[in-house]
Amino acid sequence: DAGVIQSPRHEVTEMGQEVTLRCKPISGHDYLFWYRQTMMRGLELLIYFNNNVPIDDSGMPEDRFSAKMPNASFSTLKIQPSEPRDSAVYFCASSLSSGKNEQFFGPGTRLTVL
Amino acid sequence: DAKTTQPPSMDCAEGRAANLPCNHSTISGNEYVYWYRQIHSQGPQYIIHGLKNNETNEMASLIITEDRKSSTLILPHATLRDTAVYYCIVRALQGGSEKLVFGKGTKLTVNP
Repeated sequence: DAGVIQSPRHEVTEMGQEVTLRCKPISGHDYLFWYRQTMMRGLELLIYFNNNVPIDDSGMPEDRFSAKMPNASFSTLKIQPSEPRDSAVYFCASSLSSGKNEQFFGPGTRLTVL
Repeated sequence: DAKTTQPPSMDCAEGRAANLPCNHSTISGNEYVYWYRQIHSQGPQYIIHGLKNNETNEMASLIITEDRKSSTLILPHATLRDTAVYYCIVRALQGGSEKLVFGKGTKLTVNP
């Protein structure tokens, strides 16, 4: 398996624009997680899905952020409108609902909002 | 989930063992100790986890004290590629929550 795939790897946009980040989890994994990492706040969980259903979105910072998982092999994280403080690295991770619960992380998307 | 305390940074000589401590004095009986690491500009990577027995895999060993209030991750022969931030996380394996809560971790620098 190719691991968790994220696109784009880098995104530069202007304030007010819509940004869509994409993630393809490892095939067969039934959990998908979106994290955000900044120098100030470290690595934070934004939302996670189980079998395509959002389970906990308490980490989503505000209504400008939304996440969807239309099927088991694809998820999006959308920011609309984007703001400079959204600049961060966004990671997607997936895992099996097994006892070990090891999460496999993607390479991340580095977002810069000017 | 119980909170953890780790030193902010450590140094280790290449080829020597790296021993990374973690304090989790409020850990509950059903909480496991997990270790992840994050090499610069990459996503975090799972290393190992354990409940109360010592664990070993191809990457590292995990030593958990008998009272489970602290643990040590051991990289037996550190290489330059082991330079990374190491995160110690405690969480229940069951209970409906799959969350990992990352703290600040320990930045390990392996020197040549």
